Amino acid sequence: GAVVSQHPSWVICKSGTSVKIECRSLDFQATTMFWYRQFPKQSLMLMATSNEGSKATYEQGVEKDKFLINHASLTLSTLTVTSAHPEDSSFYICTLAGGNLDEQFFGPGTRLTVL
Amino acid sequence: DAKTTQPTSMDCAEGRAANLPCNHSTISGNEYVYWYRQIHSQGPQYIIHGLKNNETNEMASLIITEDRKSSTLILPHATLRDTAVYYCIAADNDMRFGAGTRLTVKP
Repeated sequence: GAVVSQHPSWVICKSGTSVKIECRSLDFQATTMFWYRQFPKQSLMLMATSNEGSKATYEQGVEKDKFLINHASLTLSTLTVTSAHPEDSSFYICTLAGGNLDEQFFGPGTRLTVL
Repeated sequence: DAKTTQPTSMDCAEGRAANLPCNHSTISGNEYVYWYRQIHSQGPQYIIHGLKNNETNEMASLIITEDRKSSTLILPHATLRDTAVYYCIAADNDMRFGAGTRLTVKP
């Protein structure tokens, strides 16, 4: 399967700052990228879906102005958590998909801690 | 995505087969059944998927009932490293995770 990387793998920031998380495919061109977050002891929750070259589609309850997604190319997507607060502390995971879900590859995740 | 129901937790003895059930009674015709697992603090790992035929790969076997309303993931010889949360997902467009089954493989 494809190799997906996320950077950083772990970040600690102060409340009110913005944090950018990169999701990169090293060997796979993804037409679709998904972003999930996972709170401790909970399952993954889909946040948004983005297709290369178009705006992301956000799930209900996810603020698009707070979680900015940029699907810059077929190998790179970024999630920016703007004005982060402690309740945004979570494990953020990206996935890359090809033409169908048969080809979907998860990143290793980024743990965000907001103080 | 169709809703899936899995047991909250299961135990399995090391070396024995682990059979993880999943109910997806509202699955639609174009939805596949996917299985992923997540080991603590890591991203989900793909295991296997299928539409209506049984599938087998180097990790596991997937048995889907003829009516497609349920399926079973089989790990033929569970090891301690198979301890993880296992997610069953019925999807055709995007993946939505349920609570999964926490499998504990015991020595």
